[in-house]
Amino acid sequence: GIQVEQSPPDLILQEGANSTLRCNFSDSVNNLQWFHQNPWGQLINLFYIPSGTKQNGRLSATTVATERYSLLYISSSQTTDSGVYFCAVEKGGATNKLIFGTGTLLAVQP
Amino acid sequence: DAGVIQSPRHEVTEMGQEVTLRCKPISGHDYLFWYRQTMMRGLELLIYFNNNVPIDDSGMPEDRFSAKMPNASFSTLKIQPSEPRDSAVYFCASSFGQGETDQETQYFGPGTRLLVL
Repeated sequence: GIQVEQSPPDLILQEGANSTLRCNFSDSVNNLQWFHQNPWGQLINLFYIPSGTKQNGRLSATTVATERYSLLYISSSQTTDSGVYFCAVEKGGATNKLIFGTGTLLAVQP
Repeated sequence: DAGVIQSPRHEVTEMGQEVTLRCKPISGHDYLFWYRQTMMRGLELLIYFNNNVPIDDSGMPEDRFSAKMPNASFSTLKIQPSEPRDSAVYFCASSFGQGETDQETQYFGPGTRLLVL
């Protein structure tokens, strides 16, 4: 099956710093989503981004489908950004099955 | 909309007991997904429904697990009999549809934290 690798596995930042999270996938995809799981366990969808670039406030994401990777940028990080960031992909074809990566654990310190 | 609703939020039971988890998707969403999250296996899809019909249950661990969706606003995931290795957080998610658009965005419920003793 398709492999989804995320890096780095964990990251510690000072408040106000910027960061880039990466997601590599092993096959062509027609669906890629980024999620944030907060310290209370809630999973929040950040972006639906199978290709191109999107921005939402301090967050932006870019997917280069031809090179099989996606990047999530967090600028001016805040303590509320702490948690685990997951990339999830759906292999090409209408399956609707998301395969999740192992996540990046982010801790933002005040 | 209230978002995806799951109940109970926490469940502690003894091995061998039946466990039923419940989910109410976002109104108007055609797809409903059940996921399980553990430290060892991460987030994995168990089963999903389209218009109340199970489409893919290949992620269901074994016959002890079953899922139903009797109508567009309600689904259950049942474990009978439960075992300690079933301890996990179970998430329900829903989405509008399919077709390489934002409609595939999945919205997750708060999860049910299950502990089987």
